[in-house]
Amino acid sequence: GESVGLHLPTLSVQEGDNSIINCAYSNSASDYFIWYKQESGKGPQFIIDIRSNMDKRQGQRVTVLLNKTVKHLSLQIAATQPGDSAVYFCAENGVLENYKLSFGAGTTVTVRA
Amino acid sequence: DGGITQSPKYLFRKEGQNVTLSCEQNLNHDAMYWYRQDPGQGLRLIYYSQIVNDFQKGDIAEGYSVSREKKESFPLTVTSAQKNPTAFYLCASKGRGRMGLGAQHFGDGTRLSIL
Repeated sequence: GESVGLHLPTLSVQEGDNSIINCAYSNSASDYFIWYKQESGKGPQFIIDIRSNMDKRQGQRVTVLLNKTVKHLSLQIAATQPGDSAVYFCAENGVLENYKLSFGAGTTVTVRA
Repeated sequence: DGGITQSPKYLFRKEGQNVTLSCEQNLNHDAMYWYRQDPGQGLRLIYYSQIVNDFQKGDIAEGYSVSREKKESFPLTVTSAQKNPTAFYLCASKGRGRMGLGAQHFGDGTRLSIL
């Protein structure tokens, strides 16, 4: 079936640097994409979303980029802080199956002091 | 504050026993979901419900059952037929966004282990 995946399972970042987390998706009908952050022992927390009619969206310290041509999604975190250490998931769904999200396996981000 | 409450946080199951995980939301969301998360893996959909008194199987429904008698509640029963129940279980809900799209909001999970 269709799937969403992340390029790298782990990412180590120096505190203060920018982080880039990548995600590839295979469902060309996907219309909506979400990034979640999951801290140890907790549920995923919504970070930012983007619809397929956009290629960039910014939040507080985070930016999501969408390249529909190559079916690639990325999350950029500016000035990475120790509190950003977590597992990051991308998820997607389409208008036809808007009840269902497909999740990638996640990227574990570790921030070095 | 509005949110999703899962209980208990930790649960132990004996062989041959059914256990029920609770999920309650006060976000007035129509849709609710149950996911299973195994170490190093993404979330897999067990069951979902888009409206009260209706629910559908997800990708890994075997060995699980649900009910949706109230909008606020969507309990998950892990039956004895589920041979590998040890996992982190996450409940989510979603409101009506434009075109039906929108982010799911998650509880903090229940960790189920076998005794």
